[in-house]
Amino acid sequence: EAQVTQNPRYLITVTGKKLTVTCSQNMNHEYMSWYRQDPGLGLRQIYYSMNVEVTDKGDVPEGYKVSRKEKRNFPLILESPSPNQTSLYFCASGRVMNTEAFFGQGTRLTVV
Amino acid sequence: GQQVMQIPQYQHVQEGEDFTTYCNSSTTLSNIQWYKQRPGGHPVFLIQLVKSGEVKKQKRLTFQFGEAKKNSSLHITATQTTDVGTYFCAGRANDYKLSFGAGTTVTVRA
Repeated sequence: EAQVTQNPRYLITVTGKKLTVTCSQNMNHEYMSWYRQDPGLGLRQIYYSMNVEVTDKGDVPEGYKVSRKEKRNFPLILESPSPNQTSLYFCASGRVMNTEAFFGQGTRLTVV
Repeated sequence: GQQVMQIPQYQHVQEGEDFTTYCNSSTTLSNIQWYKQRPGGHPVFLIQLVKSGEVKKQKRLTFQFGEAKKNSSLHITATQTTDVGTYFCAGRANDYKLSFGAGTTVTVRA
């Protein structure tokens, strides 16, 4: 089954404790992206990747890192999480950048 | 930077009625996409519009892209309970970044 898989689905952590949210897609998509969703703000892009080893900042990249060492994986790294990063995070992939995006199930992160 | 505004933020609809949600961009778009997110779910792609003035239909849903490629609308006829959710537009400008609107959350009164 074609899908985008995020882990974990739920995470509660403490301020400053490094964490990684994994994202994997099995559709051989070149394009991958991370979004955060907050009430009233819609989906805001954090980082995106047009292909392996190619990443670029979205609209809200501060406090986040990504890597794209393989085509299928695009982890999101929070080196020192803070409470304002409490949010619902979605990973998405697309065949190329200008096509429909397939979203993962989401990761609800709470930083206390 | 590019901003995509979506109105209304909330839409309460009587079952069987029609409604429209609107999307406006501060810049000319190369294309616009629409997504639906059910409560507790993830966004699911509905459609992409590319051409100026383009109109596409999916059963009871009609999508339109403005002549100037700066606005779009989604019209739903004869609303059903299955239409509940949040509808997002997402516009792509020349910088290729996809900017999402804040969404229209639809509730339906049976």
